[in-house]
Amino acid sequence: AIQMTQSPSSLSASVGDRVTITCRASQGIRNDVGWYQQKPGKAPKLLIYGASTLQSGVPSRFSGSGSGTDFTLTIRSLQPEDFATYYCLQDFTYPWTFGQGTQVEI
Amino acid sequence: QVQLQESGPGLVKPSETLTLTCSVSGGALSPYSWNWIRQPAGKGPEWIGRIYSSGSAKYNAFLGSRVTMSVDTSKNQVFLQVTSVTAADTAVYFCARGPPFTSQYNYMDVWGKGTTVTVSS
Repeated sequence: AIQMTQSPSSLSASVGDRVTITCRASQGIRNDVGWYQQKPGKAPKLLIYGASTLQSGVPSRFSGSGSGTDFTLTIRSLQPEDFATYYCLQDFTYPWTFGQGTQVEI
Repeated sequence: QVQLQESGPGLVKPSETLTLTCSVSGGALSPYSWNWIRQPAGKGPEWIGRIYSSGSAKYNAFLGSRVTMSVDTSKNQVFLQVTSVTAADTAVYFCARGPPFTSQYNYMDVWGKGTTVTVSS
């Protein structure tokens, strides 16, 4: 199975900060990566698919980039509602695999 | 607006079979795909598998031959069955909608709230 190595595992940031989270795939996966946000006790929420396509209704401060093995999720200006855990997911080949998650804390 | 609702027994004894139902409202099963994901407490999500409304399915090998998914289009429901459960199967189980087979991309855009399953005697 393809491994997705996500970093950092946690970070502390302030409202208004620019935040960057990265995922590295153990082999090339084109641009078949999604990014999901999860708040405690809730289901994950789709933010980005196809590495860079913003899901409908998701604020434009979220953006994704990358292809091949290296991918990035950027939050341009962190808002209070953005404090959550973020996961990358490769859907290039079965089995789909998630990164370990990045907890974004105040 | 499509909504998903997972349901199941909550508590299952070791070695028994777990059966979960994902009830879809506000939209049809076809032509979408349907995924099951689980998340042990304090850990990241694990993708279990996906099934198309046609019944064609792909499973994650970590469950081996213990997992089966099925659909009932007349009832707008998707099912997950896991046999011979152990404590390691204790988790929150989510169902999530994926795109049709013809989509260029994969994603899971609508999720249920999840149902907690505990395996214990």
